[in-house]
Amino acid sequence: DVVLTQTPPTLSATIGQSVSISCRSSQSLLHSNGNTYLHWLLQRPGQSPQLLIYSVSRLESGVPNRFSGSGSGTDFTLKISGVEAEDLGVYYCVQGTHAPYTFGAGTKLELK
Amino acid sequence: QIQLVQSGPELKKPGESVKISCKASGYTFTDYAMHWVKQVPGKGLKWMGWINTYTGKPTYADDFKGRFVFSLEASASTANLQISNLKNEDTANVFCASLRFAYWGQGTLVTVSS
Repeated sequence: DVVLTQTPPTLSATIGQSVSISCRSSQSLLHSNGNTYLHWLLQRPGQSPQLLIYSVSRLESGVPNRFSGSGSGTDFTLKISGVEAEDLGVYYCVQGTHAPYTFGAGTKLELK
Repeated sequence: QIQLVQSGPELKKPGESVKISCKASGYTFTDYAMHWVKQVPGKGLKWMGWINTYTGKPTYADDFKGRFVFSLEASASTANLQISNLKNEDTANVFCASLRFAYWGQGTLVTVSS
C-alpha cells in the first residue's frame, strides 16, 4: 500500500501567518492516465472532513483561495496564505492513484 | 444541494451486527461511487472501501474483508454498510463520502461494548 507521510504532525500558527504542510508518498502518484489523484481535506473539531484541494492543485468550489496545493510525483504541499481562525483543525492528504486509497496521518493546525 | 445523511448512533454488544445507511440527495445517485471511511475517536481516517453505485460492485480494503458488506438500495439513493460479529475494535465513527471525497455524511458512531 502507498504510505503518505505528512509533516509536521502539529503546526502552531498565529492569525495571518502563512503555513505549509508536506505530504510525501512512498510511490509516485502519477496515474497512467496522466492524472495525479492527491487531495487535501480539513477536519474541524467535531465535524466531517471537508475537501479543500483535489488533484494536487484544484481548489474545490467554495473553498477560499488562501488555500493552494502544489507538487508532483511523490512530494506535495498544501499552503495556507494567511491563516484564519476557521482554518484550525486536522489536515489530511489522501491518494486515489493506487488501490487501496490511503490517508496521511494528519497535521493538526493550532493557534499559537 | 448535495447531501449525504447517515443513520443514527448505534450501541451494540460484541458478536452482534449493525447496519448503517447513507442516503444521498441532490444528485444522480449512480453517477458517483460511495466510499466508506472509519475514524476511531481521536485518531486518523482509514479507508474501508467503496461501492460502484452503478453496478453495485463492492471493493473492500484488506482490513475490512469478511465481516463487512457494502450494499445499495438504488431506488432509494441509499448505500448501506453492514458489520457482523462486532468486536470492541470496531468502535468508531464511520463516514460515507462521495465524489472524490467532496461530499461527506455526518458520521455514524458505532460503539461496541459488553
